[in-house]
Amino acid sequence: EPEVTQTPSHQVTQMGQEVILRCVPISNHLYFYWYRQILGQKVEFLVSFYNNEISEKSEIFDDQFSVERPDGSNFTLKIRSTKLEDSAMYFCASSGGLAGANVLTFGAGSRLTVL
Amino acid sequence: GDSVTQMEGPVTLSEEAFLTINCTYTATGYPSLFWYVQYPGEGLQLLLKATKADDKGSNKGFEATYRKETTSFHLEKGSVQVSDSAVYFCALSGGGMDSSYKLIFGSGTRLLVRP
Repeated sequence: EPEVTQTPSHQVTQMGQEVILRCVPISNHLYFYWYRQILGQKVEFLVSFYNNEISEKSEIFDDQFSVERPDGSNFTLKIRSTKLEDSAMYFCASSGGLAGANVLTFGAGSRLTVL
Repeated sequence: GDSVTQMEGPVTLSEEAFLTINCTYTATGYPSLFWYVQYPGEGLQLLLKATKADDKGSNKGFEATYRKETTSFHLEKGSVQVSDSAVYFCALSGGGMDSSYKLIFGSGTRLLVRP
């Protein structure tokens, strides 16, 4: 079964450092998303991406965050200058295949720890 | 804005007990409704969905019926197993006039099934 893959599975970084989280969505999907889950809390929407541009973003997704689809397969989330409160599990998702645009398939997540 | 409210956990049951996890929603328009499951250390997996009022989603013995009159989508299973221990998230999509496909999640309900 097709899956969304994310790397790294766990990253530890110092406050103020830049971090790039990588995702390979399902190949025939057209919509891409990033979510985050702070430990023990709800899953929060960050951003959606379609047709090579951001289609929607939440208030969490401030100027420190950016997304990019640098080639036909990868979808990246960059945090320019990490803060302690950025520590969370980040999930990438994609949709738009046969199951429909509103059925999201999630990756296993990238755990970010900011020290 | 759109939102999802779930019963707080943890829910602790004995094997073969009946499960209900309550979920209610607030949305403009006509959202699609979903249950996602997160097993320990893993990402979010789609469990079931319903796209219109009175639809029943079902999978792996779990069921949920889209009730527009009560704005609810309660998850049920007749006989739970130890392997069902996980966190269950209710979610909605597409309730807004812009037909956004992003998912809005509830806070999650942890289920613990004891042998």
